Amino acid sequence: DAGVIQSPRHEVTEMGQEVTLRCKPISGHDYLFWYRQTMMRGLELLIYFNNNVPIDDSGMPEDRFSAKMPNASFSTLKIQPSEPRDSAVYFCASSLGGGLAEAFFGQGTRLTVV
Amino acid sequence: GNSVTQMEGPVTLSEEAFLTINCTYTATGYPSLFWYVQYPGEGLQLLLKATKADDKGSNKGFEATYRKETTSFHLEKGSVQVSDSAVYFCALQNNDYKLSFGAGTTVTVRA
Repeated sequence: DAGVIQSPRHEVTEMGQEVTLRCKPISGHDYLFWYRQTMMRGLELLIYFNNNVPIDDSGMPEDRFSAKMPNASFSTLKIQPSEPRDSAVYFCASSLGGGLAEAFFGQGTRLTVV
Repeated sequence: GNSVTQMEGPVTLSEEAFLTINCTYTATGYPSLFWYVQYPGEGLQLLLKATKADDKGSNKGFEATYRKETTSFHLEKGSVQVSDSAVYFCALQNNDYKLSFGAGTTVTVRA
């Protein structure tokens, strides 16, 4: 398996634009997580899904952020409109089962909003 | 709530030196504890884990023991290599499946 695949790897956009980050989890995994990593706040869990259903979105910072998982092999994280403070590395991770199951991380998308 | 505190970096060592990264946690109940490693330009990878008190996780020469009495999970390696240069994250997981991460410790090993 190729692992968790995220695209794009890098994104530079202007303030106010819509940004869509994409994630393909490992086939067969039933949990999917979106994290944000910044120098100031470290790693923060934004939202996670189980069997394509959002379970906990309490980490989503604002209404400008939304996430979907239309099927078991694809998820998106959208920011509309984007702001400079959204600049961060966004990671997607997936796992088979919750609990102690190992979470496998993608390589991340580095977002820069100018 | 759950929280993880790990020693601030950066940590710079010479090859073959002994590495310790301290990690303490606050949690309700009996969490599982993890160390993740992030190599430059990559995502996080699970390094080791421990699920109950006194468990020792080990991998690639790294070890950490779950100490409930001191609420700690310190990471150690007896002889580091240049390839161990990375950012190390301590994390805990409780019944809600969420991983709570520490701030990360950057380790640089010089030849």
